[in-house]
Amino acid sequence: DTEVTQTPKHLVMGMTNKKSLKCEQHMGHRAMYWYKQKAKKPPELMFVYSYEKLSINESVPSRFSPECPNSSLLNLHLHALQPEDSALYLCASSQDLTSHHLYNEQFFGPGTRLTVL
Amino acid sequence: GENVEQHPSTLSVQEGDSAVIKCTYSDSASNYFPWYKQELGKGPQLIIDIRSNVGEKKDQRIAVTLNKTAKHFSLHITETQPEDSAVYFCAAKGLQGQNFVFGPGTRLSVLP
Repeated sequence: DTEVTQTPKHLVMGMTNKKSLKCEQHMGHRAMYWYKQKAKKPPELMFVYSYEKLSINESVPSRFSPECPNSSLLNLHLHALQPEDSALYLCASSQDLTSHHLYNEQFFGPGTRLTVL
Repeated sequence: GENVEQHPSTLSVQEGDSAVIKCTYSDSASNYFPWYKQELGKGPQLIIDIRSNVGEKKDQRIAVTLNKTAKHFSLHITETQPEDSAVYFCAAKGLQGQNFVFGPGTRLSVLP
């Protein structure tokens, strides 16, 4: 299984709502990522988890809260978002981040299209 | 930090022709260079990659070349087909960084 799955595919939420995005992989990968992608732009890194611990937070506002319950699952909790947060949110995974795996192929999920009204 | 440039931003070719997309990077320590294809409404899909100890790699109609001295790498697609139409992103990863730096993307249109 070389697939990263994401749910939901589409999400529309108001600025006062609380919602969560979910990501799952069963490739045994120990690094998982959240990216944000605006139209006609490359993916922009938000968070990196390594062995279920937060490794990188790219100065993301606190209204985005990541969670890694186990090695196969990655969540992104959303609260009090702004309309400018509307984007495609992509999850990715790779084998590892350590020096034993210098070349870390990243596999992306299909994304969640988020619209904030 | 690493900076990746990509050209052209848009590219239109006739079906059957070849397409070439070029990227340059700034960090000489970068050692892994993947290429991703992103179709409308989908996530990026890894199509080919090259490591710094290799100058060229080919997979059917797709090839990538790397010039470490000049710090640039290129994607070559031969015998293009309409299903090759998509946005293509190059990326670079260095020894120090834990993540890729993506180029801005190239929108390829293959005209039937």
